Amino acid sequence: DTEVTQTPKHLVMGMTNKKSLKCEQHMGHRAMYWYKQKAKKPPELMFVYSYEKLSINESVPSRFSPECPNSSLLNLHLHALQPEDSALYLCASSHSSSGAVRGGDTQYFGPGTRLTVL
Amino acid sequence: KQEVTQIPAALSVPEGENLVLNCSFTDSAIYNLQWFRQDPGKGLTSLLLIQSSQREQTSGRLNASLDKSSGRSTLYIAASQPGDSATYLCAVFANSGGYQKVTFGTGTKLQVIP
Repeated sequence: DTEVTQTPKHLVMGMTNKKSLKCEQHMGHRAMYWYKQKAKKPPELMFVYSYEKLSINESVPSRFSPECPNSSLLNLHLHALQPEDSALYLCASSHSSSGAVRGGDTQYFGPGTRLTVL
Repeated sequence: KQEVTQIPAALSVPEGENLVLNCSFTDSAIYNLQWFRQDPGKGLTSLLLIQSSQREQTSGRLNASLDKSSGRSTLYIAASQPGDSATYLCAVFANSGGYQKVTFGTGTKLQVIP
């Protein structure tokens, strides 16, 4: 199983709402990632989790709160978002956050959650 | 800082034509390069992965090459079809500060005209 699943596929929320995005993989990967992709732009890294611990936060505003409850699951909690946060949110996973896997490592991407903030 | 550039930004070709997409990167200290396809509003679909020790990879009508020394990769699509219409992204994988860092290219939007 080389699949990364993300739910929901689409989410519309108001600026005062609290919502969560979910990402799941069963490949035994110990690194998981959140990316944000604005229209017509490449994905931008937000967070990296390694062995369920937050390793990298790319200066993301606190209204985005990641959580990794176990090695297969990654959540992104959303609160008090702004309309400019509307984007496609992509989750990915890999064997290792360092890429120190024989022959190199790669990231497997989920289909994304399309978020619209009104 | 790694910079990845894709040329052209957009390409329109008639069905059946062979085409080449280009990707260039500034830092050759990479361990993987990957080509993705992205349909509008959708996630990333992996097409081909080339490890740094490899020169090329093939899958069906797709062939990707890698020249680390010159910082270039190409994606060759043979006998293009309307279903190939999408945005193609290349991504380079490197170690940065002990962590895996992926840098995406700017993308090439391909339109194949029936």
